[in-house]
Amino acid sequence: AQKVTQAQTEISVVEKEDVTLDCVYETRDTTYYLFWYKQPPSGELVFLIRRNSFDEQNEISGRYSWNFQKSTSSFNFTITASQVVDSAVYFCALSLVRQGAQKLVFGQGTRLTINP
Amino acid sequence: DGGITQSPKYLFRKEGQNVTLSCEQNLNHDAMYWYRQDPGQGLRLIYYSQIVNDFQKGDIAEGYSVSREKKESFPLTVTSAQKNPTAFYLCASRQGTSGGPASYNEQFFGPGTRLTVL
Repeated sequence: AQKVTQAQTEISVVEKEDVTLDCVYETRDTTYYLFWYKQPPSGELVFLIRRNSFDEQNEISGRYSWNFQKSTSSFNFTITASQVVDSAVYFCALSLVRQGAQKLVFGQGTRLTINP
Repeated sequence: DGGITQSPKYLFRKEGQNVTLSCEQNLNHDAMYWYRQDPGQGLRLIYYSQIVNDFQKGDIAEGYSVSREKKESFPLTVTSAQKNPTAFYLCASRQGTSGGPASYNEQFFGPGTRLTVL
């Protein structure tokens, strides 16, 4: 079965705190990609990062960092020194190929609220 | 500016009516997708299309129909057969990969249409 689990439904922190969003996935495919998307209140999903199944290097982009661990099937997302503008719903997604087409399997999302 | 437009932003429908949601992209992307999002849930795939005049059912296609007559357009019709159509609908597109892994490229999303059945 292909599945993505984001166990944290909602997280609320005070501005400048660090926060980690968890993502655990299941797949039997040996080649796959993982994505994180941000959904601000406007509703449009915004692409944040892609990681392929063969690359376990951590990634840092400004205040954002991602930790991919194949051994635990996890792809966690950390925001350092959070800001109010980081408030959004964040989705983790698993990208698979079926009949030659990409299919994204999304987690349930984590609603992150940063309080001033 | 390149992007995806969806219209209308809000749509109200009476029970028993069919409605069509518009999705247009000027990114020259080959693949297009329709998702449904319910409160507190992730996105679920309704239909997708990899090329013009071809489309495939996703995980929850019942009660929906699509067409892909032009590369830039992928309208979704919510029919009266859809039992619970009230939801947020998102359209997405993705660049083709010309022999590379289809799973690689990210999908770009439109701003969504919120459909409410009265």
